[in-house]
Amino acid sequence: NAGVTQTPKFQVLKTGQSMTLQCAQDMNHNSMYWYRQDPGMGLRLIYYSASEGTTDKGEVPNGYNVSRLNKREFSLRLESAAPSQTSVYFCASSEEGHFYNEQFFGPGTRLTVL
Amino acid sequence: GNSVTQMEGPVTLSEEAFLTINCTYTATGYPSLFWYVQYPGEGLQLLLKATKADDKGSNKGFEATYRKETTSFHLEKGSVQVSDSAVYFCALSDLRAGGSYIPTFGRGTSLIVHP
Repeated sequence: NAGVTQTPKFQVLKTGQSMTLQCAQDMNHNSMYWYRQDPGMGLRLIYYSASEGTTDKGEVPNGYNVSRLNKREFSLRLESAAPSQTSVYFCASSEEGHFYNEQFFGPGTRLTVL
Repeated sequence: GNSVTQMEGPVTLSEEAFLTINCTYTATGYPSLFWYVQYPGEGLQLLLKATKADDKGSNKGFEATYRKETTSFHLEKGSVQVSDSAVYFCALSDLRAGGSYIPTFGRGTSLIVHP
């Protein structure tokens, strides 16, 4: 039982390049989330998927797109990377429909955009 | 809207000292409250939670009590260890428009424990 896995762990991009961050969970959770973490800003929600086939914008969606490929996988795409997107990105999952359900986080992807 | 405010860090303590990290919240409904911990280079993991007023969550010597009257969920530990050095996040989960429970996180408090 691996929990939530993310690839890659580290990535360096040049401005304008594109890339996709991959996330998978093996806990049969319905809901999945993408966050970014910046110093002094805590966690900010980029996009989430309450269930397979649905996605919704979070607090900071601009410059990102997501795909809920199936129940296990939720990817985050940067179409044209900018230095402001330098951050640590976390994927998380949880059961849906219960206010007391905690989130389970992946180890993060550390992205630098030059 | 919902919000979580926690004390700014870093909090620097000596080993075996008493720890308090303050957390207050604003929510429109009746949220669940959580403390998450993030060790260096890792993702967040749940430390403890409380789902209704006056509940006490506890784990690994840490405790927090859900105080509805003061809208607070302060984290405490009687005797910290060097291994407790990490960033601690307070969070709430409440019903959002559309029927989803989306967490709201505080900005995190860094704890540094010296031997």
